[in-house]
Amino acid sequence: GAVVSQHPSWVICKSGTSVKIECRSLDFQATTMFWYRQFPKQSLMLMATSNEGSKATYEQGVEKDKFLINHASLTLSTLTVTSAHPEDSSFYICSATRTSGILYEQYFGPGTRLTVT
Amino acid sequence: DAKTTQPNSMESNEEEPVHLPCNHSTISGTDYIHWYRQLPSQGPEYVIHGLTSNVNNRMASLAIAEDRKSSTLILHRATLRDAAVYYCITSGTYKYIFGTGTRLKVLA
Repeated sequence: GAVVSQHPSWVICKSGTSVKIECRSLDFQATTMFWYRQFPKQSLMLMATSNEGSKATYEQGVEKDKFLINHASLTLSTLTVTSAHPEDSSFYICSATRTSGILYEQYFGPGTRLTVT
Repeated sequence: DAKTTQPNSMESNEEEPVHLPCNHSTISGTDYIHWYRQLPSQGPEYVIHGLTSNVNNRMASLAIAEDRKSSTLILHRATLRDAAVYYCITSGTYKYIFGTGTRLKVLA
């Protein structure tokens, strides 16, 4: 159990266009999901916390108007990269949280490779 | 900033045990210790977690220091498929902050 999917797995878009990435928890409900970005040879950088039914919380330095997050249901969060530019090319990873008492477990999606040309 | 410190890289021979250390000197009493690993172009994969006692599962063992300021992930017999970046994360909430991790190279 605890499977998280992402769609698409990779996408190429032209500069100035917008791209939407979906993150789904397949076999559990997640009130909280997270979005990370990872550049080559670097660690995961937390971008934002996505809460079902409320506005996302963005980490310092992440532009909320550029990276739109919507958590429409307990199993789906979407990240839209608006007006994408080549510097937005990266590996985007989502995770979904399941809690058990005081233990918070994150389950990660397989990632989405975004290339902006 | 990440709350854990790990060596940047380690090497191991295939079929030999590997001990991956992690320092987390500022860990709080209710923070769990989580280990994930990431293969190239994939999302992180759960390995093991613990709170105070040592833990074993089919993938690895986790040895936690008595003062909880450090822990060690133990792969009992490294295989080529274990080559990955291993991340140690301490968290008492749903939020994880990733450090730089340890890149494990397994030599055939």
